Amino acid sequence: DVKVTQSSRYLVKRTGEKVFLECVQDMDHENMFWYRQDPGLGLRLIYFSYDVKMKEKGDIPEGYSVSREKKERFSLILESASTNQTSMYLCASSFRGQDSNQPQHFGDGTRLSIL
Amino acid sequence: AQSVSQHNHHVILSEAASLELGCNYSYGGTVNLFWYVQYPGQHLQLLLKYFSGDPLVKGIKGFEAEFIKSKFSFNLRKPSVQWSDTAEYFCAVNSVASGTYKYIFGTGTRLKVLA
Repeated sequence: DVKVTQSSRYLVKRTGEKVFLECVQDMDHENMFWYRQDPGLGLRLIYFSYDVKMKEKGDIPEGYSVSREKKERFSLILESASTNQTSMYLCASSFRGQDSNQPQHFGDGTRLSIL
Repeated sequence: AQSVSQHNHHVILSEAASLELGCNYSYGGTVNLFWYVQYPGQHLQLLLKYFSGDPLVKGIKGFEAEFIKSKFSFNLRKPSVQWSDTAEYFCAVNSVASGTYKYIFGTGTRLKVLA
């Protein structure tokens, strides 16, 4: 069974801190994604990566960056955390597949609070 | 821009009632369609998916969905809900021709089933 592991379930940080969220998948998936989930807004894509060292901006990349040095690991970085980045962060992965038809597999999420 | 609309934000049903959750997308080309479910405290998991062929697809736990191309819809149905179906449901679309692995998610529908 596919396992997507996010390093922390809950995290509390202070405004201005640099925050790292880590995600590891064990199924050799090419694609990896970072979303934030907010009530009433659903899932919004922050960044995604379709190969090592490759990244593409999603719908809300401002204030975030990512790193993919190894195929199995995709890191989300909050350069200078702000209170409006308090949210649930979800990592997902998928095979590249034909015609982009592969479903995504999600981690349990990291609930991040910025004080 | 592509978008996905889930018009029912909150649904409350009694056990054994029938369920239909609406999902409409805005994109004229070929799409892949997904329904995901998030049970309380758990990660998002795939309920069912449509790529091609029979527009009526069956998923896990007795759920099914019908793709109606002319209406740009992919509604989720279940003939008789159970208390354990209480969860949040997300519709997602991925465009085949866009050349990207970007998925667009709806804002979600919270379903509460009363025992």
